[in-house]
Amino acid sequence: EPEVTQTPSHQVTQMGQEVILRCVPISNHLYFYWYRQILGQKVEFLVSFYNNEISEKSEIFDDQFSVERPDGSNFTLKIRSTKLEDSAMYFCASSEEQNNYGYTFGSGTRLTVV
Amino acid sequence: LAKTTQPISMDSYEGQEVNITCSHNNIATNDYITWYQQFPSQGPRFIIQGYKTKVTNEVASLFIPADRKSSTLSLPRVSLSDTAVYYCLVGPYAGNMLTFGGGTRLMVKP
Repeated sequence: EPEVTQTPSHQVTQMGQEVILRCVPISNHLYFYWYRQILGQKVEFLVSFYNNEISEKSEIFDDQFSVERPDGSNFTLKIRSTKLEDSAMYFCASSEEQNNYGYTFGSGTRLTVV
Repeated sequence: LAKTTQPISMDSYEGQEVNITCSHNNIATNDYITWYQQFPSQGPRFIIQGYKTKVTNEVASLFIPADRKSSTLSLPRVSLSDTAVYYCLVGPYAGNMLTFGGGTRLMVKP
């Protein structure tokens, strides 16, 4: 079964540092997403991406965040200057169509900001 | 998006059938009902989706009454590995984002 691959699985960074979380979506998928889940809380939408541009973003996705598809396979989330409250699991997802469901999520990157 | 209400937690035993009900009183005409499963430290996994009546796949069944104000996810003969959080989502078929609620934490005991 095709998978969404995320690296690294765990990243520890100091407050104020930049981090880049990487994702390889399923190869024939065209829609890409980032979600996050703070420990013990709900899964929250961050951003959706299609045709090399952001389709939709949440209030969480402020100027500190950016996404990029630098080549034909990778999809990255950059946090420019990390804060303690950015500590969370970050999940990448992809879908073949713009249906709202039937996404495939990756296993996530646990980001710890110290 | 329609608000959903589900039990916070449920316990079951191996081999039993588990039914998790989700209430969505203000579901819109074009809304679909979808369930996701999430294991600890993993991303959510799509289980099943339906619009009305009954849908069944190799993993679960989804029962939706005629008024569509609730739905029930049925897991036949659960095992320990079915211990997870189950999310009920309601929204239009096409869109750019999923809105997760708190989900139902299912604990399957031996």
